[in-house]
Amino acid sequence: GQQLNQSPQSMFIQEGEDVSMNCTSSSIFNTWLWYKQDPGEGPVLLIALYKAGELTSNGRLTAQFGITRKDSFLNISASIPSDVGIYFCAGQLGSNDYKLSFGAGTTVTVRA
Amino acid sequence: GAVVSQHPSRVICKSGTSVKIECRSLDFQATTMFWYRQFPKKSLMLMATSNEGSKATYEQGVEKDKFLINHASLTLSTLTVTSAHPEDSSFYICSVTGTSGYNEQFFGPGTRLTVL
Repeated sequence: GQQLNQSPQSMFIQEGEDVSMNCTSSSIFNTWLWYKQDPGEGPVLLIALYKAGELTSNGRLTAQFGITRKDSFLNISASIPSDVGIYFCAGQLGSNDYKLSFGAGTTVTVRA
Repeated sequence: GAVVSQHPSRVICKSGTSVKIECRSLDFQATTMFWYRQFPKKSLMLMATSNEGSKATYEQGVEKDKFLINHASLTLSTLTVTSAHPEDSSFYICSVTGTSGYNEQFFGPGTRLTVL
């Protein structure tokens, strides 16, 4: 699949902080998806983006589909302890190609 | 979104045996399911696309005779790891497409395979 560059690789958060992560690609995607995975479980869909420039929120989460269609970011506002986990971005070409290409993930940990 | 289950959640087997993993779409008829493999602290790697009533499409480098996929109904796809070896130990996850079309994929809880 396509290679997605996701950053940062890991981050430490303090409760109440805002968190931001992003994904870039050398190729255009027509759909961007953000997932969260807890240890030993499958990824859970957080936000799906379908149009370039689209800004979508889901509670404290906000994600944007970059205007060039080659990038996306995810923001978490006022983080809480249960926000810890691994966040993955995924891109999909669509138009009969429905496979997902995943980023390497961003590991979010609570700062002691 | 779609609700997806996998069985078993964990399996330990001896080298040389075959293991079958089931993926069920509980509330949605899925014509297409996807199988992924995930190594510790790594991202998900697509293994194959499972199509109901037809042969699965495998990604480059994935041995189709090693990883047998059967999608016999709109709610069930199975992945059989044949003649398993320790290097096949991994976390296997399936996904189904959502009710709005192919854009969203909803994942099962995963199956941890350990081959001794």
